[in-house]
Amino acid sequence: QQQVKQSPQSLIVQKGGISIINCAYENTAFDYFPWYQQFPGKGPALLIAIRPDVSEKKEGRFTISFNKSAKQFSLHIMDSQPGDSATYFCAASKRSGGSNYKLTFGKGTLLTVNP
Amino acid sequence: KAGVTQTPRYLIKTRGQQVTLSCSPISGHRSVSWYQQTPGQGLQFLFEYFSETQRNKGNFPGRFSGRQFSNSRSEMNVSTLELGDSALYLCASSPMTSGLSYNEQFFGPGTRLTVL
Repeated sequence: QQQVKQSPQSLIVQKGGISIINCAYENTAFDYFPWYQQFPGKGPALLIAIRPDVSEKKEGRFTISFNKSAKQFSLHIMDSQPGDSATYFCAASKRSGGSNYKLTFGKGTLLTVNP
Repeated sequence: KAGVTQTPRYLIKTRGQQVTLSCSPISGHRSVSWYQQTPGQGLQFLFEYFSETQRNKGNFPGRFSGRQFSNSRSEMNVSTLELGDSALYLCASSPMTSGLSYNEQFFGPGTRLTVL
């Protein structure tokens, strides 16, 4: 059972454009939603994260929008740059420790920003 | 602070062998998690350790095991390697402060395991 569904699988955007990646989750107990960026040969790097008590979080050119009722969240990259070309993963987790302390990842989106 | 370090970075083994991978978390981080990354399955959770105890385990066979030491460093072991175990194995550490903590995990560069 895939608990976090991510789309699209790949995305091509022109420099300066907006990149939008969407994720949907099933488990209503999730209460932490991070996005990771991964370059080839590197481990995933935490980009930005949101909690369900807010509908939007912005950090520089990166914005997460969160819709609790629809169980969906998305990443917007404004003014996309060639250096943003990477694979992006959404994830979800429960906050507390113990048996729920794990990240469930989406399948990833390969973003290519053309110059 | 230094990031999460993993050794070795690359490893080639043959079927039936066993392998041990090592992870040093960020200083002060007490929780260490392991993930397997493959093109087909993506990132899948293996297990998580906190204070030398395995608290959480993913859906992997018993050939996959791990442990954590008193200094929070962790190792994972895969016995009787199969071709399908070829993957990038990622270690992530988390501060895991007392009480409820958001699962902010920081990943290392991974160990690329190839099974021939």
